[in-house]
Amino acid sequence: DTGVSQNPRHKITKRGQNVTFRCDPISEHNRLYWYRQTLGQGPEFLTYFQNEAQLEKSRLLSDRFSAERPKGSFSTLEIQRTEQGDSAMYLCASSLTDREELNNYGYTFGSGTRLTVV
Amino acid sequence: GIQVEQSPPDLILQEGANSTLRCNFSDSVNNLQWFHQNPWGQLINLFYIPSGTKQNGRLSATTVATERYSLLYISSSQTTDSGVYFCAVSMDSNYQLIWGAGTKLIIKP
Repeated sequence: DTGVSQNPRHKITKRGQNVTFRCDPISEHNRLYWYRQTLGQGPEFLTYFQNEAQLEKSRLLSDRFSAERPKGSFSTLEIQRTEQGDSAMYLCASSLTDREELNNYGYTFGSGTRLTVV
Repeated sequence: GIQVEQSPPDLILQEGANSTLRCNFSDSVNNLQWFHQNPWGQLINLFYIPSGTKQNGRLSATTVATERYSLLYISSSQTTDSGVYFCAVSMDSNYQLIWGAGTKLIIKP
C-alpha cells in the first residue's frame, strides 16, 4: 500500500464549472476525512466517513459541495458551480478506528488536490 | 468552539540548534496530533499524543492534558526539518480535527 492517493494533483477551472476530486485511502482504513487548506492557514474540516456512511459534515460545506464514499473504499468530492473562493488545497486523510492503532499511526494525509478557480 | 493556539508563529534557527514548539488548547480533548507540512505541502503525522510523552529519533512530544498544552521538541535541527508544524485536536466523540495556525520553522545551513 502506497498511502493515501489523491487525483488530480492540480485542477484549474473556470468559475461556474463543476469539478470532482478523488481520494483512495489506505485500504484497511475505515475512516476517511476531507479537509480544505488555504494559503497560510491550517486545514479546515469538511466532512468525515466511517466506511460508506457520511457521519459528519461541516457548516463550511455549502450545498454546492457533495462527498460520497461508495462501498467504503475510495471517496469523491464534487464542487458544483465553482466560485473563486473555492480556490484551495483539498486534502484527504484516512485512519483506523481502533484506539491502539490510532496511537501508533494517527491520521495519514494524501498530497492534496490544488484547485484554482479563474 | 475549541481554540488552538500555537507559538511561536515563526522560528528561524541555525542547523544543529534545538527548539520547542508549543500548542495550547482551550478545552478537554481526546485526540491531539502534531504534523509537519513540508515545503511541497505534504502533511506528515509526527505524533498522536493526547497525553504523556513520546519520542521518535530527534523529535519528542509531551502533552499535559490537565493543563491543556502540548510541546514538540526538535533537537539537532537539520535543514530538512524546515516547514510548518501544526498541532490539531479533537474532542470526545467528535472526529473533526481543529487545527492551530502553525509554527513556520526555517533551519539555515
